[in-house]
Amino acid sequence: GIQVEQSPPDLILQEGANSTLRCNFSDSVNNLQWFHQNPWGQLINLFYIPSGTKQNGRLSATTVATERYSLLYISSSQTTDSGVYFCAVGEGTYKYIFGTGTRLKVLA
Amino acid sequence: EPEVTQTPSHQVTQMGQEVILRCVPISNHLYFYWYRQILGQKVEFLVSFYNNEISEKSEIFDDQFSVERPDGSNFTLKIRSTKLEDSAMYFCASSPGGYTGSYEQYFGPGTRLTVT
Repeated sequence: GIQVEQSPPDLILQEGANSTLRCNFSDSVNNLQWFHQNPWGQLINLFYIPSGTKQNGRLSATTVATERYSLLYISSSQTTDSGVYFCAVGEGTYKYIFGTGTRLKVLA
Repeated sequence: EPEVTQTPSHQVTQMGQEVILRCVPISNHLYFYWYRQILGQKVEFLVSFYNNEISEKSEIFDDQFSVERPDGSNFTLKIRSTKLEDSAMYFCASSPGGYTGSYEQYFGPGTRLTVT
């Protein structure tokens, strides 16, 4: 099956700093999403981005499917950005394989 | 904005008991999924369901698990005889599929299952 690796595993930032999270996957995929898991455990959908670039406020994401990676950019980080960020890639039509996540802590 | 809902938000049960976790997917979505997340670990796929039958299931989804769409709105996960290691957060998800061609998955808020 597809392997999904995320880096870095842990990240500590000062409020206002920028960061880039990376997701590498081992095979071609048709679906890819980024999620933020908040302290209550909820998975918040950030981007559905099987290819190309999208932006939503301070967040943006780029997926280069031919090179099997996706990047999530967080600019001007805030304490509310803290949590775990997961990349999930579609294996076939019927399931997502999640990465192990990047745990982000933003300090005030 | 439509959303996936799950009940209960938290369930505590004794080992060996049966539990049913309930989900209401987004209306008009055709694909339904269950995932679980053991505390501190990554999210793992359990099962997908389409056209009233299981499309795919993982090794985790053994004979103690079953899924059902009892009516036009609910989607349930049943665990027949719970074990301590079933303690986890269980997420339901749905995706449109069909003519939209989109398999973007929309996740519910989760049910935290604690087996004692």
